[in-house]
Amino acid sequence: DTGVSQDPRHKITKRGQNVTFRCDPISEHNRLYWYRQTLGQGPEFLTYFQNEAQLEKSRLLSDRFSAERPKGSFSTLEIQRTEQGDSAMYLCASSPYYATNEKLFFGSGTQLSVL
Amino acid sequence: AQKVTQAQTEISVVEKEDVTLDCVYETRDTTYYLFWYKQPPSGELVFLIRRNSFDEQNEISGRYSWNFQKSTSSFNFTITASQVVDSAVYFCALSKSSGSARQLTFGSGTQLTVLP
Repeated sequence: DTGVSQDPRHKITKRGQNVTFRCDPISEHNRLYWYRQTLGQGPEFLTYFQNEAQLEKSRLLSDRFSAERPKGSFSTLEIQRTEQGDSAMYLCASSPYYATNEKLFFGSGTQLSVL
Repeated sequence: AQKVTQAQTEISVVEKEDVTLDCVYETRDTTYYLFWYKQPPSGELVFLIRRNSFDEQNEISGRYSWNFQKSTSSFNFTITASQVVDSAVYFCALSKSSGSARQLTFGSGTQLTVLP
């Protein structure tokens, strides 16, 4: 069990550029979540996958954001035309299919800074 | 709408002191789950406890204890004999029972600093 892995740990980009983050969940976990955390706040839910199906999306996820999970393994979160307000920590978490309301296993996050 | 309030933004204690972190929640659901997570400086949130709304028994795990009071919508967390390694941001969270923990609503967190 190597835990949830996120890449990169840090990303600095200029406003208007596109960025993509990757998350590798724990191998036997079929549920994958993306959360966003800004400084001094708790994480906010963005989206959720069960296997390759994206089942829920938050209203926070504007049309500039897109998430995929091809083949139900790793996931990518892309932000197009980044804005300074997108600066945040993007957290990925996973859980096994049989876990209802069970604990989530979080990665260490990708810190995005938009200049 | 669900809401979690952690009124204590920062707490500082000296090692070996006891400390209680407050959590007040709002929900219209009759069945729900409450969680505490710890976020050390490395950034990775670590699960501490889950409690469902039907189980009001207090729980103790080593130096950690949790006091769930449905009547006051509170789910407080106490660390006994605090240690420097307890320094972290602690988050209380709430989820609905229908479905999974996929939509956790987090509080804004309490930064705990334990001084040697």
